[in-house]
Amino acid sequence: KQEVTQIPAALSVPEGENLVLNCSFTDSAIYNLQWFRQDPGKGLTSLLLIQSSQREQTSGRLNASLDKSSGRSTLYIAASQPGDSATYLCAVIDDSGGSNYKLTFGKGTLLTVNP
Amino acid sequence: GAVVSQHPSRVICKSGTSVKIECRSLDFQATTMFWYRQFPKQSLMLMATSNEGSKATYEQGVEKDKFLINHASLTLSTLTVTSAHPEDSSFYICSASYGMGNQPQHFGDGTRLSIL
Repeated sequence: KQEVTQIPAALSVPEGENLVLNCSFTDSAIYNLQWFRQDPGKGLTSLLLIQSSQREQTSGRLNASLDKSSGRSTLYIAASQPGDSATYLCAVIDDSGGSNYKLTFGKGTLLTVNP
Repeated sequence: GAVVSQHPSRVICKSGTSVKIECRSLDFQATTMFWYRQFPKQSLMLMATSNEGSKATYEQGVEKDKFLINHASLTLSTLTVTSAHPEDSSFYICSASYGMGNQPQHFGDGTRLSIL
């Protein structure tokens, strides 16, 4: 059974700092990996999706890397801003070959960026 | 693009009531819709997957008679929590995808269900 772990559980940084969020998964046979942002009491916003054949994706100040063989992904946030404060979730879709593709989520990293 | 609307955003009701939550894809056809439940400080847990016009596939441990899912069209899926009890209180989130696993899932804003 796939398990996704995110470290740290919470992170507090001053504005402007570069930071890295970590995600690991137990079964390396994944179809893809996604990073999401969740604001309090809200749904999820997709940030980046990395296919299993890719090693990284970039969007603005965000860069996500994937090392499929070691079961690891990182989300790098450059020049953090208070508006980046949220919970960041990592999720994988297993390469099960089935017709439906199910996301397995980590518990998230709660990020607070202090002005 | 790819907007998913979930309604209502919050429900407070008495034990024994049945509650229906709607999930709509506003600007795309959702081949597949997913329903998740999230307890405080926990991961999102998939409850069921539904394809338009087919019966939903429930995850292990999720009671299909308790959580009724209907995916009658390519833009609408509903989750009905039947005879809700306090332990059903949670944050329910739907997502919709217009393709297979290589297409992102787009999430609604969630429904906070509180059973008194």
